[in-house]
Amino acid sequence: EAGVAQSPRYKIIEKRQSVAFWCNPISGHATLYWYQQILGQGPKLLIQFQNNGVVDDSQLPKDRFSAERLKGVDSTLKIQPAKLEDSAVYLCASSLGTSEFTDTQYFGPGTRLTVL
Amino acid sequence: AQSVAQPEDQVNVAEGNPLTVKCTYSVSGNPYLFWYVQYPNRGLQFLLKYITGDNLVKGSYGFEAEFNKSQTSFHLKKPSALVSDSALYFCAVHNTDKLIFGTGTRLQVFP
Repeated sequence: EAGVAQSPRYKIIEKRQSVAFWCNPISGHATLYWYQQILGQGPKLLIQFQNNGVVDDSQLPKDRFSAERLKGVDSTLKIQPAKLEDSAVYLCASSLGTSEFTDTQYFGPGTRLTVL
Repeated sequence: AQSVAQPEDQVNVAEGNPLTVKCTYSVSGNPYLFWYVQYPNRGLQFLLKYITGDNLVKGSYGFEAEFNKSQTSFHLKKPSALVSDSALYFCAVHNTDKLIFGTGTRLQVFP
C-alpha cells in the first residue's frame, strides 16, 4: 500500500514570494491534515479536511495561508506571501476518517521550506 | 486545555539496555494517546496508541507503552535498545478535535 506522497521535498524561496505544496493521501482515506513543524517543536495542525470539506482551520493564518482539497483526494497548501517565520517542515497526513478520536494518522515525508 | 509534556529533550542509552521515553498528559475526559517516531528527513511514523483496555500497549519495532491513569503518564519503553532506534520520538494526545503533539525527545542509542 502506497503511503502519503508529498512534493516537493525541499523548497527555498525569498520572503514575500509565494509557494505551494502538494499532498496525495493514502487511497481511501477520507481525512487529510496539514501540519507545520518548526525546528525543535512538535507538529502543529494547520487544517483538517474530511473529504473535500474543512473540519478545522482554526490555526491556519488565513491572511497568507490557503488550502484546498478538490474532489476529496489530493490537496494543496499555499503560502502567499511567505515570511521568514514560515520556514518549517510542512507535513501532510491522512486517516481513514471512521473515528474522530481514535483514527491513526499516517504522515508523508514532508516538505522542508526555507524562506530567505 | 489539552496538552502533553515530554520532560526530556534527549535520552541516551547504550545498545542492549532498556530504554524509557517519558510522556505525561493533561486532558479532560478520556485520553487517546499516541507515540510517533521521526527519522531524519522523514515524516512521522506511527508506533502505537492507547484507546481503551489493557494499560500495556504493544507497538511496532518492539516498542511498548504503559498507560498510567493515576500518574497521567504514557511512557514509551523497549526492553533492549538498538542503535537503529536512534530518532526523534513524539508523544501525542487526541482529545476533542485535534491531535496535540509534545515537543519531542531525541533518543540516542550508543553502540
